Amino acid sequence: GQQVMQIPQYQHVQEGEDFTTYCNSSTTLSNIQWYKQRPGGHPVFLIQLVKSGEVKKQKRLTFQFGEAKKNSSLHITATQTTDVGTYFCARGGNMLTFGGGTRLMVKP
Amino acid sequence: DTGVSQNPRHKITKRGQNVTFRCDPISEHNRLYWYRQTLGQGPEFLTYFQNEAQLEKSRLLSDRFSAERPKGSFSTLEIQRTEQGDSAMYLCASSQTQDYGYTFGSGTRLTVV
Repeated sequence: GQQVMQIPQYQHVQEGEDFTTYCNSSTTLSNIQWYKQRPGGHPVFLIQLVKSGEVKKQKRLTFQFGEAKKNSSLHITATQTTDVGTYFCARGGNMLTFGGGTRLMVKP
Repeated sequence: DTGVSQNPRHKITKRGQNVTFRCDPISEHNRLYWYRQTLGQGPEFLTYFQNEAQLEKSRLLSDRFSAERPKGSFSTLEIQRTEQGDSAMYLCASSQTQDYGYTFGSGTRLTVV
């Protein structure tokens, strides 16, 4: 199927360090969405990217959509313990197809 | 509370029994989706509705699974003759249209023993 691959699968960081997760597709994406799932919780919508090369910011979070619309990234500046969770990208379409997620763990 | 509501939150059933889950979406949302998530994995698509019409079903959805959305409001997901492999979190989500972010419910955790 038309999957999206996320790397890394896990990331341990010290509080205050930066974090980046990458999402890659072998085919062009019409749009991509990002979600955060806290431990024991459900996915929560963060943002949608639609345009080639688009960059959007939400406080310490920066989302990018590649020029070829085949990849995307989420960068968190100066992580905090509240950033702990799994970050999923999902390719848009009739329904979302989720990547495997990157689990972020932050050491205080 | 205007979020997506799912019931029950937890369900433990014996293998071979039937179970039914309910999802109440956000009232203005036309689209309703069912996903399944196992530990350490991303949500896997099962099926979705636009209003009362079931528009797509995943190949993951065997004949034992059936979903309905009568009158385009709440939805039910039934699993017949449950198997241990059905143990998972079943997530419901709704959205206004195809390209809007989804609002997920808290899920129903199914354990088949």
